[in-house]
Amino acid sequence: AQKITQTQPGMFVQEKEAVTLDCTYDTSDQSYGLFWYKQPSSGEMIFLIYQGSYDEQNATEGRYSLNFQKARKSANLVISASQLGDSAMYFCAMREGTGGFKTIFGAGTRLFVKA
Amino acid sequence: KAGVTQTPRYLIKTRGQQVTLSCSPISGHRSVSWYQQTPGQGLQFLFEYFSETQRNKGNFPGRFSGRQFSNSRSEMNVSTLELGDSALYLCASSVDPRLGGANVLTFGAGSRLTVL
Repeated sequence: AQKITQTQPGMFVQEKEAVTLDCTYDTSDQSYGLFWYKQPSSGEMIFLIYQGSYDEQNATEGRYSLNFQKARKSANLVISASQLGDSAMYFCAMREGTGGFKTIFGAGTRLFVKA
Repeated sequence: KAGVTQTPRYLIKTRGQQVTLSCSPISGHRSVSWYQQTPGQGLQFLFEYFSETQRNKGNFPGRFSGRQFSNSRSEMNVSTLELGDSALYLCASSVDPRLGGANVLTFGAGSRLTVL
């Protein structure tokens, strides 16, 4: 069965430093997608980055990169040069490729950026 | 391009009542998913619709139901409300779930339901 695990309930990072948010997943599918979303205090979920299971290169989107280690089933989010506006909840998510019609989410990590 | 629109944004109901929430997806998006978010349980999958058909359903009681119309707009209904139904209900649309793992969800701002 699909499962997403985020083991860090909260993280602190100094402004301008890099931070890694952990995510491990479990699936028996060979084809799947991994996503990271940001949820500020306003509540809206914002899509950050996507990694396909067959993608050989790690995904990058601006200051966000996804450290994909398929054998370890991990998909960690790296935020470089943290900004105060990065303070939010971050969710890792997965969608299986075989038409399961469902995206599941981890419990989330709350990131606090300190000035 | 308009985003995903959810209405109402906030609502207060009492136990035993029923509620209907609405979601208008991004133009061209054919799939709509619903999630319940609570502090204790996180984001829980409710259901996903594509082509007016429910394609998958999460582990929720039958009081939770939904539908999708021919224009891809979706509604979800909760009957006989309980205190534990208080939550943020998030709707997300996507282009086509047949894309499989590449199907990215775009979320609306949510409907915050309080049950008294």
